[in-house]
Amino acid sequence: AQTVTQSQPEMSVQEAETVTLSCTYDTSESDYYLFWYKQPPSRQMILVIRQEAYKQQNATENRFSVNFQKAAKSFSLKISDSQLGDAAMYFCAYRVYRDDKIIFGKGTRLHILP
Amino acid sequence: DAMVIQNPRYQVTQFGKPVTLSCSQTLNHNVMYWYQQKSSQAPKLLFHYYDKDFNNEADTPDNFQSRRPNTSFCFLDIRSPGLGDAAMYLCATSTVRGPLHFGNGTRLTVT
Repeated sequence: AQTVTQSQPEMSVQEAETVTLSCTYDTSESDYYLFWYKQPPSRQMILVIRQEAYKQQNATENRFSVNFQKAAKSFSLKISDSQLGDAAMYFCAYRVYRDDKIIFGKGTRLHILP
Repeated sequence: DAMVIQNPRYQVTQFGKPVTLSCSQTLNHNVMYWYQQKSSQAPKLLFHYYDKDFNNEADTPDNFQSRRPNTSFCFLDIRSPGLGDAAMYLCATSTVRGPLHFGNGTRLTVT
């Protein structure tokens, strides 16, 4: 069965510092997508970054970057220069190419300390 | 702007009284999803449509039904809500192999 594990239920980081959120997944598939979603308190869930499994290069979106280790089935999110607006629940998610289903991890709540 | 719209944002219903939540999209995506999210938990997939093809998760209670009359609209019907059904209900859309685009959600309270 495909699973997504986020081992850090909560994390805190000082404003302007860098933080890394961990995600591991279990799959026997070779073709899939990985995503990080952000859900601020009482607000809409939005896509932060996506990674195609066939791409070796790590995805980057401004201050957000991933460390994708396919062999280790690891997909961590690095947030640089943390801002107060980054405070949210972050979900790691996985999607097989041939399937419509997207599986979510349990999430990591990120606190930004001023 | 293209988007996913859920109505209402907040819904209060009585125990056992049927309720319908709605979702519309202007993205013209093939796939529409309904997720249930309880406080500080991961979204749980209830069902999804690929065009008109309906896919029900094995552990989705029979109490939950869905309709997709056309590409743009999708409805979640809860036939006899129980206290345990109080949650945020999220509608999302995607293209084939694309990421999810979420609506703002409907928070359901059961009294």
